[in-house]
Amino acid sequence: DQQVKQNSPSLSVQEGRISILNCDYTNSMFDYFLWYKKYPAEGPTFLISISSIKDKNEDGRFTVFLNKSAKHLSLHIVPSQPGDSAVYFCAASGQGAQKLVFGQGTRLTINP
Amino acid sequence: DVKVTQSSRYLVKRTGEKVFLECVQDMDHENMFWYRQDPGLGLRLIYFSYDVKMKEKGDIPEGYSVSREKKERFSLILESASTNQTSMYLCASYLYTEAFFGQGTRLTVV
Repeated sequence: DQQVKQNSPSLSVQEGRISILNCDYTNSMFDYFLWYKKYPAEGPTFLISISSIKDKNEDGRFTVFLNKSAKHLSLHIVPSQPGDSAVYFCAASGQGAQKLVFGQGTRLTINP
Repeated sequence: DVKVTQSSRYLVKRTGEKVFLECVQDMDHENMFWYRQDPGLGLRLIYFSYDVKMKEKGDIPEGYSVSREKKERFSLILESASTNQTSMYLCASYLYTEAFFGQGTRLTVV
């Protein structure tokens, strides 16, 4: 039972353009969402988060959008840079639970 | 900065061996977790711990056990390694709902 789904295993974007990574969830009790970035042979690092009381959160080139009615969130990166090439994981938690549920990940490749 | 350190970056073990993966965090966090990462499956929770000597099963605990004798250290044990346990293992320390990960251990069981 995959409660957090990232349906695109990979995404290729040209440098300077916008990258949009998508994530869907099924558990309506989730109230906090995060994005993590992972380079090969390294642990994931926190990128950006959003609470369910908001529908948008922005941090520099990164913006996360949350659509609660659709149970969907997306990560926008603009402009995309070569260093953004990595695997991106969407994660969710809820009801004060002290653990995160992760999606399968999306491998983003930024082409020069 | 939170630091989570895993004892090995790469390990090669034989089928049937008992394997210990060690994780240490330096921020006095109560919650620690072990995940494995496999292509197409994302991060799957193996075990977690809310406090010293406490442990809870995650989604895929079979074939694994854990030990938390001290707050800063959380060990993952593969009782009898099998080839389907070849994976990237990630330890995390939690503060509220934000996870801080170690660098990962790439385990190969031959």
